[in-house]
Amino acid sequence: NAGVMQNPRHLVRRRGQEARLRCSPMKGHSHVYWYRQLPEEGLKFMVYLQKENIIDESGMPKERFSAEFPKEGPSILRIQQVVRGDSAAYFCASSLNPVAGNQPQHFGDGTRLSIL
Amino acid sequence: RKEVEQDPGPFNVPEGATVAFNCTYSNSASQSFFWYRQDCRKEPKLLMSVYSSGNEDGRFTAQLNRASQYISLLIRDSKLSDSATYLCVVNMDNYGQNFVFGPGTRLSVLP
Repeated sequence: NAGVMQNPRHLVRRRGQEARLRCSPMKGHSHVYWYRQLPEEGLKFMVYLQKENIIDESGMPKERFSAEFPKEGPSILRIQQVVRGDSAAYFCASSLNPVAGNQPQHFGDGTRLSIL
Repeated sequence: RKEVEQDPGPFNVPEGATVAFNCTYSNSASQSFFWYRQDCRKEPKLLMSVYSSGNEDGRFTAQLNRASQYISLLIRDSKLSDSATYLCVVNMDNYGQNFVFGPGTRLSVLP
């Protein structure tokens, strides 16, 4: 499967624990985006990364949330000291260089995070 | 004004009907446009890109009107499997930071 791979598909954490969500972009893609979606709501942009760089993190909460996309390996979205309000579906997408024009984003299956 | 707005929906139509969705965007310099569909509890999937000349893919036709800053999606001969939420997506500057999703329009095709 050469598509965007996210894992785990489902993640259960207790309040105060850490959650790590992983995303491997589609082969050949070096641009990664993270979104959050609450039930019955739309996608909310969180962060846009290229390899080793955060390009735009304007949608990410200032505290407890961080993201990285290292030179080797998947992109990681990390949530520290999780709270009930963090329960959501987290989607990762990747694309070719958007400067090239008309480059859609391709999504992974998402990680459903549940906080007990 | 929101950057990307869509018909609020939901649309409930019988099988075989033709249904059209509209989407407006605020940034006249926007460069790229797409329609995605999202099934309940699934990831968004690219339905089609929208080109200036308009484009058609089977029962689906997308149109772009740059002067009026709107995009449309027409579905002909709708099927039960077309039931989903349809997302209008605008890339406002082709630099990746401004890939904006609309709130979506929910479609239910009824038997």
